[in-house]
Amino acid sequence: SQTIHQWPATLVQPVGSPLSLECTVEGTSNPNLYWYRQAAGRGLQLLFYSVGIGQISSEVPQNLSASRPQDRQFILSSKKLLLSDSGFYLCAWRLKGGDEQYFGPGTRLTVT
Amino acid sequence: QQQVKQSPQSLIVQKGGISIINCAYENTAFDYFPWYQQFPGKGPALLIAIRPDVSEKKEGRFTISFNKSAKQFSLHIMDSQPGDSATYFCAALNVGLSFGAGTTVTVRA
Repeated sequence: SQTIHQWPATLVQPVGSPLSLECTVEGTSNPNLYWYRQAAGRGLQLLFYSVGIGQISSEVPQNLSASRPQDRQFILSSKKLLLSDSGFYLCAWRLKGGDEQYFGPGTRLTVT
Repeated sequence: QQQVKQSPQSLIVQKGGISIINCAYENTAFDYFPWYQQFPGKGPALLIAIRPDVSEKKEGRFTISFNKSAKQFSLHIMDSQPGDSATYFCAALNVGLSFGAGTTVTVRA
């Protein structure tokens, strides 16, 4: 069965510091991968998606970037964090040709 | 601009009652409509989903009703239980998922 991992689970970072969040998927090959952000008490907003290694599409302009160095690894990064980057970051995967999208456990980021 | 509008923001229901959550969308390119359940501090879990060529789908106590012409869909939770207390999100799929703002459901014992 497929499993999705995210780490770290929680992170507190000062403004201006760099960020690296990692997501890995097990039990499947060549999935579509997604990064979402959830602000407190809000719905999820799609940030990036990837259909393959090195292929990244951005949905909204922002202070973040994403990379997919390996088939089942998706990384969310920032060079300098802003207060507004605080939130709950969720990685998700979907089989190509399928509809169901499954989410990881999330990373709670607090920028101070 | 939110592409999927969800209501109500919160609701309280007695144990055994029916919870109803409504969503509306504008983009006719959406072709898959899932509902997710999220507990505090956890990632959303896929609950039930429907395609626009089906008007209703039932899985256990959860039912989706879909009205393609009105571009609306709803989730009904029958015989609500305290364990159903969570935040529910509707969503619609194009490239990625567009989510509603969420409904916090509280089931009172």
